[in-house]
Amino acid sequence: EPEVTQTPSHQVTQMGQEVILRCVPISNHLYFYWYRQILGQKVEFLVSFYNNEISEKSEIFDDQFSVERPDGSNFTLKIRSTKLEDSAMYFCASNPGPTSTDTQYFGPGTRLTVL
Amino acid sequence: AQRVTQPEKLLSVFKGAPVELKCNYSYSGSPELFWYVQYSRQRLQLLLRHISRESIKGFTADLNKGETSFHLKKPFAQEEDSAMYYCALLYSGGGADGLTFGKGTHLIIQP
Repeated sequence: EPEVTQTPSHQVTQMGQEVILRCVPISNHLYFYWYRQILGQKVEFLVSFYNNEISEKSEIFDDQFSVERPDGSNFTLKIRSTKLEDSAMYFCASNPGPTSTDTQYFGPGTRLTVL
Repeated sequence: AQRVTQPEKLLSVFKGAPVELKCNYSYSGSPELFWYVQYSRQRLQLLLRHISRESIKGFTADLNKGETSFHLKKPFAQEEDSAMYYCALLYSGGGADGLTFGKGTHLIIQP
C-alpha cells in the first residue's frame, strides 16, 4: 500500500540556520499539507498546497516558512532562519481528492531539533 | 475559531471492558469529524470519520450536534487498542483547510 514518506527522520540544526524538510506524497494525490507537533502539545496545521500553490495557511506559517513542490513527486517545507521554538515533529500529509475534505494520509514525521 | 477538546489525557481500562474516548468540538458551521490513531512508533492513521458511519476495528463514533460531541466507543477493549487517539475537525473554509486536532488521549488496555 502506498505511503507518504518523509526525510530525514531526525534533523538537528543550529539556531539561525535554514532547514528543508522533505516529503514524498502518495502518487496522484492532489492536496498536500504540513503540520507540526511541539512536544507535549497538539498537532497544528501549518499550510496546505493545491494546484501548485498555497491554498490555506495558519497564523504559525509566517514569512520564515515556505513550501515548494519542485517536481512531480517532492513537497518541501523550508524554514529560513530556525528558532529554538521551531523544535517539533513535522508531519506531511496528502489527500487524493477530488475534494479537499477527503481523507488525509500522514507521513511518519521529521523530528527537528534546533540548538 | 474552531476547537477540539479531548478532556482525558490518559485512559486506562482492562481488556474486555468498554471504552469511551471523549471528544467535544466548537464550530459554528457543519463540521466533518475524524478519529485518528497513532500506535507506538507508527504514523497517524485514520480510524474513522463521521460521514462514513462505519465501524472500524470495533470502534464507532456518533456525531451529536446538540452536545457538540463525537465520542469514540468500543464495547470490548483489546490489548492491541493501546495507542494515542486524536479527535480532529475539518471545517469548510473554502480552500484546502487543515485539520484541527485535539490534544489526544493515551489509551492503555491492561491485560
